[in-house]
Amino acid sequence: YVLTQPPSVSVAPGQTARITCGENNIGSKTVHWYQQKPGQAPVLVVFDVRDRPSGIPERFSGSNSGNTATLTISRVEAGDEADYYCQVWDTSSGDRVFGGGTKLTVL
Amino acid sequence: QVQLMQSAADVKKPGASVQVSCEASGYIFTSYTLSWVRQAPGQGLEWMGWIAPFNGNTKYAQKFQDRVTMTTDTSTSTVYMELRNLRSDDTAVYYCAREGLTSILFDYWGQGTLVTVSS
Repeated sequence: YVLTQPPSVSVAPGQTARITCGENNIGSKTVHWYQQKPGQAPVLVVFDVRDRPSGIPERFSGSNSGNTATLTISRVEAGDEADYYCQVWDTSSGDRVFGGGTKLTVL
Repeated sequence: QVQLMQSAADVKKPGASVQVSCEASGYIFTSYTLSWVRQAPGQGLEWMGWIAPFNGNTKYAQKFQDRVTMTTDTSTSTVYMELRNLRSDDTAVYYCAREGLTSILFDYWGQGTLVTVSS
């Protein structure tokens, strides 16, 4: 089971960043997103496709349809610069699966 | 508050085994599954397997099936991950991560343990 993410996304401060996670019929799965800054453990930023844990800004949102899940970060700030990973549960194998990760650069 | 405290960094020679520990606090230990996730230098996240502290049940990713063992000690709220027959490409930061109750996600993570495999 392979989740495909673009290696990098660049965006100017204040603009909107969209990070995709692709797999055949991923729209039928529950997708979660993690943010990882250098030298730190990952942090859950969006779960169950579009929900946010407490403390995560409303600027972070998610969607999932067809073959693509998307993490959207609105009004991007310098502090959002990080690696982002999508994750699903492969119900056929029971495995937890991560995407390859996307490095978000704030220009 | 929920905390997962992992053991210190370790250096091993090829062919050796390593054990990494993860002590949980701030929640009912037996109520949540814990997974191990590793990250090689400059690479992405790789799920290795999970253990259910309630009954010790485990599931390992096929890639690690023959070399990994996960165990739990409920008296100390600690889970352990042993990886055997280490190779240089096992050099990585190893994380323990708590899984959610209603969704298969990782809501809390340990600080990570760097394991270096070098002759």
